[in-house]
Amino acid sequence: QQQVKQSPQSLIVQKGGISIINCAYENTAFDYFPWYQQFPGKGPALLIAIRPDVSEKKEGRFTISFNKSAKQFSLHIMDSQPGDSATYFCAASIGKGGKLIFGQGTELSVKP
Amino acid sequence: DSGVTQTPKHLITATGQRVTLRCSPRSGDLSVYWYQQSLDQGLQFLIQYYNGEERAKGNILERFSAQQFPDLHSELNLSSLELGDSALYFCASSPQTGEVVGEQYFGPGTRLTVT
Repeated sequence: QQQVKQSPQSLIVQKGGISIINCAYENTAFDYFPWYQQFPGKGPALLIAIRPDVSEKKEGRFTISFNKSAKQFSLHIMDSQPGDSATYFCAASIGKGGKLIFGQGTELSVKP
Repeated sequence: DSGVTQTPKHLITATGQRVTLRCSPRSGDLSVYWYQQSLDQGLQFLIQYYNGEERAKGNILERFSAQQFPDLHSELNLSSLELGDSALYFCASSPQTGEVVGEQYFGPGTRLTVT
């Protein structure tokens, strides 16, 4: 019940394309869903986050779509760039300050 | 740069030894979290401290312990090290205003290699 399942494990997208990463959760007590971006040798960096009372949140080229009834959420990266090549983690917690339960990660490669 | 600092950056030690990892949170952040990242387990929550008190515990081994000091820096102690403890250890911190806790910001990590 504490798991967050993330797919795909790896993703290759052409420059300018849309990258889509999906996550699913079981615990309905989760109420905060952040996405983190991690470059090799660095710590995870907060990208964007959503609460379950909204179905979509957009920040620049990054959009989170949230489906509360399906207990699923996804990250869309529009106009993907080679600089977006990194590992992306979805996460869930109870409250912003709660322990983060992370998905397994998606290694994104954007080809020029 | 998140503002969270961790030392050392790399640590190589032998099985059976004990090490201490150090974390300084962002200025003013009262909460500190420790996470372990390994290839087989992914990113896993270990323990959280808030203003010096233990707030939450994850699947932290009994051989591991942590504390948060009055100046808010935190240390993670790993003892009787095993090969399987080789991993990246991340510290994160978050601010709190009243009852509202903010997002978690991660440090650069400490890479521990046990040989």
